[in-house]
Amino acid sequence: SQKIEQNSEALNIQEGKTATLTCNYTNYSPAYLQWYRQDPGRGPVFLLLIRENEKEKRKERLKVTFDTTLKQSLFHITASQPADSATYLCALAFEGNYGQNFVFGPGTRLSVLP
Amino acid sequence: KAGVTQTPRYLIKTRGQQVTLSCSPISGHRSVSWYQQTPGQGLQFLFEYFSETQRNKGNFPGRFSGRQFSNSRSEMNVSTLELGDSALYLCASSLDGNAEQYFGPGTRLTVT
Repeated sequence: SQKIEQNSEALNIQEGKTATLTCNYTNYSPAYLQWYRQDPGRGPVFLLLIRENEKEKRKERLKVTFDTTLKQSLFHITASQPADSATYLCALAFEGNYGQNFVFGPGTRLSVLP
Repeated sequence: KAGVTQTPRYLIKTRGQQVTLSCSPISGHRSVSWYQQTPGQGLQFLFEYFSETQRNKGNFPGRFSGRQFSNSRSEMNVSTLELGDSALYLCASSLDGNAEQYFGPGTRLTVT
């Protein structure tokens, strides 16, 4: 069956360290993968998109990698700050029965401790 | 540039009723997608509209329907509400549906 998982429900790290979040999937062939940030009571905010033929993307303190062989994406936040505390969601875009579908992972709740 | 807006923000309905939610995308965006978010199931894709046509569809029953108008504004309708329909309903707009999506604040629907 098709499944998308994120490494842990919650992750606590110390301010200044690098946070690494994992997104694993099975039985999908995604065209691309996205990462979003969601704060309580608000809609998700787009962070990064990486396509199947790309290995790595960077944006400021954020870096995402995509390994279609391992069926895994890693999301890194370097020099983390308490303001980075939020839930992070990965999302796959793939061809479904009715055209392009999006499926989201369950999210990882990141807490950056001062 | 104004963001995605959704109305109403909160709604309480009774089982068996129907409800219509509205979404106004970012100006110039032609694709609008709808999602249901619950603590147990996470964020689930309902459907996507592009140029007034439903282009993509998730695995939800026919009680969930939508439409898009010529100005790209979209509505989602849920008929014969069930308790399990209680959720945060999010819409997201994008230029063409194949890139980053911009989410609205959501409509919190409670079915009693």
